[in-house]
Amino acid sequence: GEDVEQSLFLSVREGDSSVINCTYTDSSSTYLYWYKQEPGAGLQLLTYIFSNMDMKQDQRLTVLLNKKDKHLSLRIADTQTGDSAIYFCAERPTGSSASKIIFGSGTRLSIRP
Amino acid sequence: DVKVTQSSRYLVKRTGEKVFLECVQDMDHENMFWYRQDPGLGLRLIYFSYDVKMKEKGDIPEGYSVSREKKERFSLILESASTNQTSMYLCASINPAGANVLTFGAGSRLTVL
Repeated sequence: GEDVEQSLFLSVREGDSSVINCTYTDSSSTYLYWYKQEPGAGLQLLTYIFSNMDMKQDQRLTVLLNKKDKHLSLRIADTQTGDSAIYFCAERPTGSSASKIIFGSGTRLSIRP
Repeated sequence: DVKVTQSSRYLVKRTGEKVFLECVQDMDHENMFWYRQDPGLGLRLIYFSYDVKMKEKGDIPEGYSVSREKKERFSLILESASTNQTSMYLCASINPAGANVLTFGAGSRLTVL
């Protein structure tokens, strides 16, 4: 079945780069997403990548997609305390309805001074 | 900006009580969702609705029901709350154009004693 996997925790030093990794199982996924959840809040879309792209960059965020290995990563450059949050990877398989957006378990990013 | 509003942010209920969680969106989206979020389990889909009075079961519908009488409002109902329904509940609606981005409410944290 479809599954999205992420490690549960990541700790980085302030100013370093954070790399959050995700693997997915459905090779036909059209869109892959990164959502951010700050404490006490709902999820907010950070960025997404279409399956025919390998990379997408948006300011401090870089998304890399390796379709062969079904691996998605989110790199946050110059990590700040405001980046402390839970980051969810999600995929939408090809031809599926919106109800079939599948989320990973989330990676909790903590920042060390 | 799409806004999804969950009116109850924190609720404490007793076992056996009936619980209503309300969600309202202001962008005329047809599709709305209720997810449950538990640590280490990510988001699990409870129910979704693709139109007024239409609903479909998600992955974990047991113990829940929903109501969609108006397009902008999607309610989650726990007929008889149980302690294992203590969780964070997230409502979302979706923009059907383009990348199918989900917009989430801030969440309703329910504790059942």
